[in-house]
Amino acid sequence: EVQLVESGGGLVQPGGYLRLSCETSGFTFSNYWMTWVRQAPGKGLEWVASIKEDGSEKYYLDSVKGRLTISRDNARNLVFLQMNSPRGEDTAVYYCARDREGYSYGYYYNGMDVWGQGTTVTVSS
Amino acid sequence: DIVMTQSPLSLTVTPGQPASISCRSSQSLLESNTHNYLDWYLQRPGQSPQLLIYLGSNRASGVPDRFSGSGSGTDFTLKISRVEAEDVGIYYCMQALQTPLTFGGGTRVEIK
Repeated sequence: EVQLVESGGGLVQPGGYLRLSCETSGFTFSNYWMTWVRQAPGKGLEWVASIKEDGSEKYYLDSVKGRLTISRDNARNLVFLQMNSPRGEDTAVYYCARDREGYSYGYYYNGMDVWGQGTTVTVSS
Repeated sequence: DIVMTQSPLSLTVTPGQPASISCRSSQSLLESNTHNYLDWYLQRPGQSPQLLIYLGSNRASGVPDRFSGSGSGTDFTLKISRVEAEDVGIYYCMQALQTPLTFGGGTRVEIK
């Protein structure tokens, strides 16, 4: 069974540090881009960051550039979102999702077809 | 950034009746005259989002055939042929053509 399980959320002070993890199983992790999407309380969905299957390219929402960092460990089938100096507006449920399947010259896109259950981050003093 | 606009904001439907949600993008989502990079997601109350439709009109695995997606370029529609109680939730369109990936504001569907 294909599965994504996020962890690492919690209460963090503004300017602090938090690292979210997404443990994956049931598919060839190293073939897929991975994406983080968040949802602030009572709000809609917001894309945060994506990382290519081999980690060679990373893409970020402008408002998180320089503060949030996406990374992956293909040997352990894990994707991370490191939060440095989080702000109140980063308070949200963070979901990881399986994105497009990469290959040498491009990718196959079949939607973000698998999502985790989410992990809640609260940024507050 | 590509702006995604959904309508209506909310919809109340009698079970067994059809429903339709519109999504408009601020620029074309058609790439190389082949694929429209437009998805539809459903977030049921208290749950994670789930993929319904990708590339404009392709149903995701396990999605009932009462759900269909259509449209091209900048105008897209999600149709539910016969709404069931389990279809309650918030529906989002999302463009996957370019980063930042952007979502519509969502359409809340309730059952009468």
